[in-house]
Amino acid sequence: DGGITQSPKYLFRKEGQNVTLSCEQNLNHDAMYWYRQDPGQGLRLIYYSQIVNDFQKGDIAEGYSVSREKKESFPLTVTSAQKNPTAFYLCASSNVKYTEAFFGQGTRLTVV
Amino acid sequence: QKEVEQDPGPLSVPEGAIVSLNCTYSNSAFQYFMWYRQYSRKGPELLMYTYSSGNKEDGRFTAQVDKSSKYISLFIRDSQPSDSATYLCAMSGDTSGTYKYIFGTGTRLKVLA
Repeated sequence: DGGITQSPKYLFRKEGQNVTLSCEQNLNHDAMYWYRQDPGQGLRLIYYSQIVNDFQKGDIAEGYSVSREKKESFPLTVTSAQKNPTAFYLCASSNVKYTEAFFGQGTRLTVV
Repeated sequence: QKEVEQDPGPLSVPEGAIVSLNCTYSNSAFQYFMWYRQYSRKGPELLMYTYSSGNKEDGRFTAQVDKSSKYISLFIRDSQPSDSATYLCAMSGDTSGTYKYIFGTGTRLKVLA
């Protein structure tokens, strides 16, 4: 089945620790996105990538980093510089030509 | 002013009712419009996708786009308890040439059995 797989589903981070969220897609989509979802604030764009080895900052990139070494993979690292990382993180992808975005099932990150 | 405005609800309706969900937007360059359904603690699921103005129907769902008014709607006919979820509107295709998406904050819908 084609789709987007995010792992893990739940993640706990200690203060001062970096953590990496995985996102893999087998839809052969060129573009991939990371969003953060907080209650009452909707989806906010962290980073996006339209082609391999290229990515751009979104609206709230501070404290996050990404890489795009393979077309199907777009991991997100939440660094210790992100002061309020507890949130629901969503990865999405789209075929740039057709524009509909498809989402993974999300990773809930909690700072302990 | 936010680029996209969406009433957060919650909206409670009896089973079988017709539901109307709406978004307004400010950027007249948007060309692509989407509606997503999101169940609690799950990723958004694409329901409807339309290009430019007009209507699109899929089963119990109808999406309408009125670009002249910068207003989009999602209608759900014969609503079911399983439709209880948060509905997000999204749009893209602005003049920057990138395929970024702008999302509404979502409307929570509860269909009562």
